[in-house]
Amino acid sequence: AQTVTQSQPEMSVQEAETVTLSCTYDTSESDYYLFWYKQPPSRQMILVIRQEAYKQQNATENRFSVNFQKAAKSFSLKISDSQLGDAAMYFCAYMQGAQKLVFGQGTRLTINP
Amino acid sequence: EAGVAQSPRYKIIEKRQSVAFWCNPISGHATLYWYQQILGQGPKLLIQFQNNGVVDDSQLPKDRFSAERLKGVDSTLKIQPAKLEDSAVYLCASSDITDTQYFGPGTRLTVL
Repeated sequence: AQTVTQSQPEMSVQEAETVTLSCTYDTSESDYYLFWYKQPPSRQMILVIRQEAYKQQNATENRFSVNFQKAAKSFSLKISDSQLGDAAMYFCAYMQGAQKLVFGQGTRLTINP
Repeated sequence: EAGVAQSPRYKIIEKRQSVAFWCNPISGHATLYWYQQILGQGPKLLIQFQNNGVVDDSQLPKDRFSAERLKGVDSTLKIQPAKLEDSAVYLCASSDITDTQYFGPGTRLTVL
């Protein structure tokens, strides 16, 4: 079974600085998707970024970018120019085909003003 | 475009009572998911529908949980009877042709 591991339960960063959240996963498949979701206190899961495993280019969405290392099964999220609104739980997730998302345990990100 | 709608947002019941949650997916999304998120954990899939058929319900505790998606649009998740360990946030999601899942605001269930 696929598993996703987020080894950092909590992270903090100063406003306007850069922070990187770590994620590793385990799978024997070669074709899959990886996601980062953000969950603020309102509880709604918000899609941050998506990466297809067959693409070598790392996905980028404005201040959010990933470092996808397929051989190492690593998928980290970099947030540049951190803003107070970025404070939330961040979940890394794996999906194969049109199937369920397998989530990590989450990393709580705090932004210090 | 309207997002995934869920109701109620909060529900408090006593153990052994029954409860039902409702979800309306994004228009045109054929696939609908129900996840359970226990405090401090990532969400875990309970059931996945493709139109009105079940794709995956392997993690659904079928002795007490049931779900349906009549007409391939709205869905209802029911718990009967509820146990203390069912206290969680229940998230509904739907996916588009890119298989990206979009989530609703969730329902926080407290079982006393």
